[in-house]
Amino acid sequence: QKEVEQNSGPLSVPEGAIASLNCTYSDRGSQSFFWYRQYSGKSPELIMFIYSNGDKEDGRFTAQLNKASQYVSLLIRDSQPSDSATYLCAVKGVGTGGFKTIFGAGTRLFVKA
Amino acid sequence: EADIYQTPRYLVIGTGKKITLECSQTMGHDKMYWYQQDPGMELHLIHYSYGVNSTEKGDLSSESTVSRIRTEHFPLTLESARPSHTSQYLCASSANRDTGELFFGEGSRLTVL
Repeated sequence: QKEVEQNSGPLSVPEGAIASLNCTYSDRGSQSFFWYRQYSGKSPELIMFIYSNGDKEDGRFTAQLNKASQYVSLLIRDSQPSDSATYLCAVKGVGTGGFKTIFGAGTRLFVKA
Repeated sequence: EADIYQTPRYLVIGTGKKITLECSQTMGHDKMYWYQQDPGMELHLIHYSYGVNSTEKGDLSSESTVSRIRTEHFPLTLESARPSHTSQYLCASSANRDTGELFFGEGSRLTVL
Protein backbone atom coordinates (compact mmCIF):
# COMPACT_ATOMS: atom_id res chain seq x y z
CA GLN A 1 0.00 0.00 0.00
CA LYS A 2 1.32 3.39 -0.95
CA GLU A 3 1.68 5.92 1.84
CA VAL A 4 -0.28 8.57 -0.07
CA GLU A 5 -2.81 7.48 -2.69
CA GLN A 6 -4.53 9.54 -5.34
CA ASN A 7 -6.62 8.70 -8.36
CA SER A 8 -4.31 9.36 -11.30
CA GLY A 9 -7.16 10.62 -13.47
CA PRO A 10 -7.39 12.35 -15.78
CA LEU A 11 -10.27 14.24 -14.23
CA SER A 12 -12.05 16.33 -16.84
CA VAL A 13 -14.47 19.12 -15.87
CA PRO A 14 -16.06 21.91 -17.89
CA GLU A 15 -15.05 25.50 -17.29
CA GLY A 16 -16.93 26.99 -14.35
CA ALA A 17 -17.61 23.63 -12.69
CA ILE A 18 -16.31 22.37 -9.35
CA ALA A 19 -13.35 20.01 -9.50
CA SER A 20 -13.01 17.58 -6.62
CA LEU A 21 -9.66 15.92 -5.95
CA ASN A 22 -9.20 13.24 -3.32
CA CYS A 23 -6.34 11.71 -1.39
CA THR A 24 -5.93 9.05 1.30
CA TYR A 25 -2.89 8.44 3.49
CA SER A 26 -1.75 5.51 5.56
CA ASP A 27 0.19 7.04 8.49
CA ARG A 28 -2.23 7.96 11.29
CA GLY A 29 0.51 10.05 12.87
CA SER A 30 0.54 12.47 9.96
CA GLN A 31 0.17 16.06 11.08
CA SER A 32 0.37 18.32 8.06
CA PHE A 33 -1.30 18.02 4.69
CA PHE A 34 -0.55 19.89 1.51
CA TRP A 35 -1.82 20.30 -2.01
CA TYR A 36 0.71 21.23 -4.67
CA ARG A 37 -0.01 22.09 -8.29
CA GLN A 38 2.43 20.98 -10.97
CA TYR A 39 2.14 22.20 -14.53
CA SER A 40 3.63 19.98 -17.21
CA GLY A 41 7.39 20.34 -17.25
CA LYS A 42 7.40 22.59 -14.19
CA SER A 43 8.10 22.17 -10.50
CA PRO A 44 5.40 21.77 -7.85
CA GLU A 45 4.06 24.89 -6.17
CA LEU A 46 2.01 25.01 -2.98
CA ILE A 47 -1.73 25.65 -3.32
CA MET A 48 -2.96 24.99 0.20
CA PHE A 49 -1.98 23.40 3.47
CA ILE A 50 -4.24 22.18 6.27
CA TYR A 51 -3.44 20.93 9.76
CA SER A 52 -6.84 20.57 11.49
CA ASN A 53 -9.94 18.56 10.75
CA GLY A 54 -12.54 20.42 8.74
CA ASP A 55 -12.45 22.84 5.86
CA LYS A 56 -10.02 25.58 4.94
CA GLU A 57 -10.87 28.02 2.20
CA ASP A 58 -8.58 30.24 0.14
CA GLY A 59 -10.20 31.98 -2.79
CA ARG A 60 -11.52 29.36 -5.20
CA PHE A 61 -9.80 26.54 -3.33
CA THR A 62 -11.09 24.60 -0.34
CA ALA A 63 -9.10 21.89 1.42
CA GLN A 64 -10.92 19.35 3.55
CA LEU A 65 -9.33 17.09 6.13
CA ASN A 66 -10.79 14.10 7.94
CA LYS A 67 -8.11 12.50 10.11
CA ALA A 68 -10.42 9.73 11.35
CA SER A 69 -10.90 8.57 7.77
CA GLN A 70 -7.32 9.51 6.76
CA TYR A 71 -8.73 11.50 3.89
CA VAL A 72 -7.85 14.86 2.37
CA SER A 73 -9.59 16.58 -0.51
CA LEU A 74 -9.26 19.70 -2.59
CA LEU A 75 -12.20 21.47 -4.18
CA ILE A 76 -11.66 23.98 -6.95
CA ARG A 77 -14.66 26.19 -7.58
CA ASP A 78 -15.31 27.99 -10.87
CA SER A 79 -12.63 25.90 -12.57
CA GLN A 80 -10.62 27.66 -15.26
CA PRO A 81 -8.58 26.23 -18.15
CA SER A 82 -5.51 27.62 -16.35
CA ASP A 83 -6.25 25.18 -13.52
CA SER A 84 -5.37 22.28 -15.84
CA ALA A 85 -2.39 20.66 -14.15
CA THR A 86 -1.41 17.72 -11.97
CA TYR A 87 -2.39 18.15 -8.32
CA LEU A 88 -0.12 16.47 -5.80
CA CYS A 89 -1.28 15.55 -2.33
CA ALA A 90 1.53 15.57 0.24
CA VAL A 91 1.67 14.47 3.86
CA LYS A 92 4.11 15.23 6.66
CA GLY A 93 4.33 13.33 9.94
CA VAL A 94 6.04 13.84 13.28
CA GLY A 95 9.38 12.87 14.74
CA THR A 96 12.09 11.72 12.39
CA GLY A 97 9.50 10.94 9.77
CA GLY A 98 8.10 14.41 10.21
CA PHE A 99 11.10 15.82 8.52
CA LYS A 100 10.05 14.21 5.30
CA THR A 101 7.16 15.13 3.07
CA ILE A 102 5.62 12.16 1.25
CA PHE A 103 3.91 12.81 -2.06
CA GLY A 104 1.17 11.01 -3.92
CA ALA A 105 1.54 10.40 -7.65
CA GLY A 106 -0.92 13.19 -8.43
CA THR A 107 -4.25 13.61 -10.18
CA ARG A 108 -4.26 15.13 -13.64
CA LEU A 109 -7.00 17.72 -14.06
CA PHE A 110 -8.27 19.00 -17.39
CA VAL A 111 -10.62 21.97 -17.46
CA LYS A 112 -12.39 22.23 -20.80
CA ALA A 113 -13.16 25.70 -22.14
CA GLU B 1 8.81 34.36 -4.27
CA ALA B 2 11.13 31.44 -3.65
CA ASP B 3 14.75 31.83 -4.63
CA ILE B 4 16.12 28.39 -5.28
CA TYR B 5 18.16 27.63 -8.33
CA GLN B 6 19.23 24.46 -10.05
CA THR B 7 21.81 23.92 -12.76
CA PRO B 8 21.98 22.46 -15.29
CA ARG B 9 18.32 22.45 -16.30
CA TYR B 10 18.96 19.78 -18.89
CA LEU B 11 21.87 17.37 -19.19
CA VAL B 12 22.50 14.55 -21.66
CA ILE B 13 25.55 12.51 -20.79
CA GLY B 14 27.14 9.18 -21.55
CA THR B 15 27.30 6.14 -19.28
CA GLY B 16 30.11 6.17 -16.77
CA LYS B 17 30.51 9.93 -16.55
CA LYS B 18 30.59 11.77 -13.24
CA ILE B 19 27.97 14.47 -12.87
CA THR B 20 27.10 17.07 -10.26
CA LEU B 21 23.71 18.74 -10.10
CA GLU B 22 23.90 22.10 -8.40
CA CYS B 23 21.28 23.57 -6.07
CA SER B 24 21.47 26.92 -4.32
CA GLN B 25 18.97 28.90 -2.28
CA THR B 26 19.18 32.48 -1.06
CA MET B 27 16.47 32.25 1.60
CA GLY B 28 18.68 31.12 4.46
CA HIS B 29 16.73 27.89 4.86
CA ASP B 30 18.41 25.23 6.99
CA LYS B 31 16.51 22.30 5.50
CA MET B 32 17.12 21.18 1.96
CA TYR B 33 15.98 18.16 -0.03
CA TRP B 34 16.52 16.27 -3.27
CA TYR B 35 13.55 14.55 -4.86
CA GLN B 36 13.51 12.32 -7.92
CA GLN B 37 10.47 12.26 -10.20
CA ASP B 38 9.77 10.11 -13.23
CA PRO B 39 6.93 11.10 -15.62
CA GLY B 40 3.50 10.48 -14.11
CA MET B 41 5.01 9.21 -10.90
CA GLU B 42 5.27 10.58 -7.38
CA LEU B 43 8.22 12.52 -6.09
CA HIS B 44 10.61 10.30 -4.15
CA LEU B 45 12.87 11.76 -1.48
CA ILE B 46 16.46 10.66 -2.09
CA HIS B 47 18.44 12.97 0.22
CA TYR B 48 17.84 15.62 2.81
CA SER B 49 19.82 17.90 5.08
CA TYR B 50 19.03 19.53 8.42
CA GLY B 51 21.83 22.04 8.01
CA VAL B 52 25.54 22.44 7.39
CA ASN B 53 27.45 19.13 7.62
CA SER B 54 24.20 17.19 8.06
CA THR B 55 22.98 14.85 5.31
CA GLU B 56 20.65 11.85 5.36
CA LYS B 57 19.43 9.36 2.80
CA GLY B 58 15.77 9.46 1.91
CA ASP B 59 13.25 6.72 1.32
CA LEU B 60 14.30 5.89 -2.22
CA SER B 61 17.64 4.16 -2.55
CA SER B 62 19.94 6.21 -4.69
CA GLU B 63 23.51 5.80 -5.82
CA SER B 64 23.97 9.53 -5.65
CA THR B 65 25.70 11.41 -2.85
CA VAL B 66 25.21 14.91 -1.47
CA SER B 67 27.18 17.40 0.57
CA ARG B 68 26.24 20.45 2.65
CA ILE B 69 29.29 22.56 3.32
CA ARG B 70 27.42 25.87 3.11
CA THR B 71 23.85 26.63 4.11
CA GLU B 72 22.91 27.87 0.68
CA HIS B 73 24.44 25.06 -1.36
CA PHE B 74 23.34 21.39 -1.64
CA PRO B 75 24.90 19.66 -4.64
CA LEU B 76 24.09 16.11 -5.73
CA THR B 77 26.75 13.93 -7.35
CA LEU B 78 26.63 10.73 -9.38
CA GLU B 79 30.10 9.20 -9.60
CA SER B 80 29.28 6.98 -12.57
CA ALA B 81 26.07 7.73 -14.43
CA ARG B 82 23.96 4.90 -15.82
CA PRO B 83 20.82 4.88 -18.00
CA SER B 84 18.78 3.94 -14.89
CA HIS B 85 19.68 7.37 -13.47
CA THR B 86 17.70 9.07 -16.22
CA SER B 87 15.08 11.14 -14.40
CA GLN B 88 14.02 14.58 -13.22
CA TYR B 89 15.82 15.75 -10.08
CA LEU B 90 14.11 18.41 -7.98
CA CYS B 91 15.83 20.35 -5.23
CA ALA B 92 13.73 21.96 -2.50
CA SER B 93 14.14 23.84 0.75
CA SER B 94 11.87 24.66 3.66
CA ALA B 95 11.77 27.54 6.10
CA ASN B 96 13.44 27.29 9.48
CA ARG B 97 10.12 27.64 11.27
CA ASP B 98 9.09 24.66 9.18
CA THR B 99 5.49 25.37 8.30
CA GLY B 100 6.09 22.46 5.99
CA GLU B 101 5.93 24.30 2.71
CA LEU B 102 8.55 23.15 0.25
CA PHE B 103 10.04 25.62 -2.19
CA PHE B 104 11.22 23.88 -5.34
CA GLY B 105 13.84 24.73 -7.87
CA GLU B 106 13.01 24.36 -11.54
CA GLY B 107 14.55 20.90 -11.71
CA SER B 108 17.37 19.20 -13.55
CA ARG B 109 16.36 16.74 -16.24
CA LEU B 110 19.10 14.14 -16.64
CA THR B 111 19.36 11.74 -19.57
CA VAL B 112 22.07 9.10 -19.50
CA LEU B 113 22.73 7.38 -22.81
